[in-house]
Amino acid sequence: AQSVTQPDIHITVSEGASLELRCNYSYGATPYLFWYVQSPGQGLQLLLKYFSGDTLVQGIKGFEAEFKRSQSSFNLRKPSVHWSDAAEYFCAVGLHNFGNEKLTFGTGTRLTIIP
Amino acid sequence: DAGVTQSPTHLIKTRGQQVTLRCSPKSGHDTVSWYQQALGQGPQFIFQYYEEEERQRGNFPDRFSGHQFPNYSSELNVNALLLGDSALYLCASSSLVGEQFFGPGTRLTVL
Repeated sequence: AQSVTQPDIHITVSEGASLELRCNYSYGATPYLFWYVQSPGQGLQLLLKYFSGDTLVQGIKGFEAEFKRSQSSFNLRKPSVHWSDAAEYFCAVGLHNFGNEKLTFGTGTRLTIIP
Repeated sequence: DAGVTQSPTHLIKTRGQQVTLRCSPKSGHDTVSWYQQALGQGPQFIFQYYEEEERQRGNFPDRFSGHQFPNYSSELNVNALLLGDSALYLCASSSLVGEQFFGPGTRLTVL
């Protein structure tokens, strides 16, 4: 069965600093990859997705992610964080139909922004 | 264009009771999935409905059941509630092919 690992439970970053959130997956083939963000008490908002092609994908709110097949990783990056980026970030994997079916999520990384 | 909507927002039940949660998918979507998110955890897939049938199911007991209506809306039913069922329940909708869009969730507290 596929699994998703987010090794960083909590990350603290200064406003304006760069950010990288790590995500590794375990699966024999290349799955469909997603990053979602969740603000406190809210549902999940899709930041970006990777299906195929260019390994660097751009998302909303200035986020990007890079797929590295050799490392089974899909790390999320942002060059300069804003206080409003404080939230919980989840990496997710889907196997079929471009993510239409069951998604497997990591345990999340909580991002704190300090002034 | 309304996104995914869920009701109620919050719910408090006692052990042994039954609960029904509701979800309306995003316009144009015909597939509904349900996830359970325990505090401090990532969402866990419960099941998915398409064409009013359960198409896929995660590792949840039979106490968790669902239904999809002809207008694509869906219900999640949980019987014989346990304390461990306390969680945020998320509904996601999608078209036959494509990413899932999530609703705001229903916070269920079991006392």
